[in-house]
Amino acid sequence: DAGVIQSPRHEVTEMGQEVTLRCKPISGHNSLFWYRQTMMRGLELLIYFNNNVPIDDSGMPEDRFSAKMPNASFSTLKIQPSEPRDSAVYFCASSLDSSGTQYFGPGTRLLVL
Amino acid sequence: QKEVEQNSGPLSVPEGAIASLNCTYSDRGSQSFFWYRQYSGKSPELIMSIYSNGDKEDGRFTAQLNKASQYVSLLIRDSQPSDSATYLCAVNKSGGSNYKLTFGKGTLLTVNP
Repeated sequence: DAGVIQSPRHEVTEMGQEVTLRCKPISGHNSLFWYRQTMMRGLELLIYFNNNVPIDDSGMPEDRFSAKMPNASFSTLKIQPSEPRDSAVYFCASSLDSSGTQYFGPGTRLLVL
Repeated sequence: QKEVEQNSGPLSVPEGAIASLNCTYSDRGSQSFFWYRQYSGKSPELIMSIYSNGDKEDGRFTAQLNKASQYVSLLIRDSQPSDSATYLCAVNKSGGSNYKLTFGKGTLLTVNP
């Protein structure tokens, strides 16, 4: 299995621009998680999908952030407009309900100038 | 009180020694506990999961859980320089069908040759 796939791996953009991060979970996994990691705040859960349905978005910082999961094999996290404080590493993870074990993708390193 | 608390370290041990990593959590209803290892610039990877009080061993790693004390630990025997990484403790607060994890900020471990 290829594992969780994320793209792009690195993104540099200017403040105010739209950023779209993409994730392909492990085939057969039915839960998908978006995290943000910074030195100050550590690893924070942004949103969690189960069977393509958003279950918990309480970690989404504000309306500038949105996430979708149109099918079992694809999810996006969008930031519009982006701000310098959004600079972080964004991880996608997936899991099987029955195990709860989450497998992380390689992450997208976002820098907003 | 933080939901999941870890000593940020750095914890420095000589090669061959036992490294002891500790984690406390605030929610008494927590049911599942995980240790992830994260190398610098990489994504978290699962090392151990533990669900019941007591010890669970896997090779050089032993996870220990004490729900009464709300405490989970990870012991690494015969520490190797390749074990140098940040170790993240993660807790599933709600259990059941909710597989949301809350992570500690991690403990940086350095194993000196």
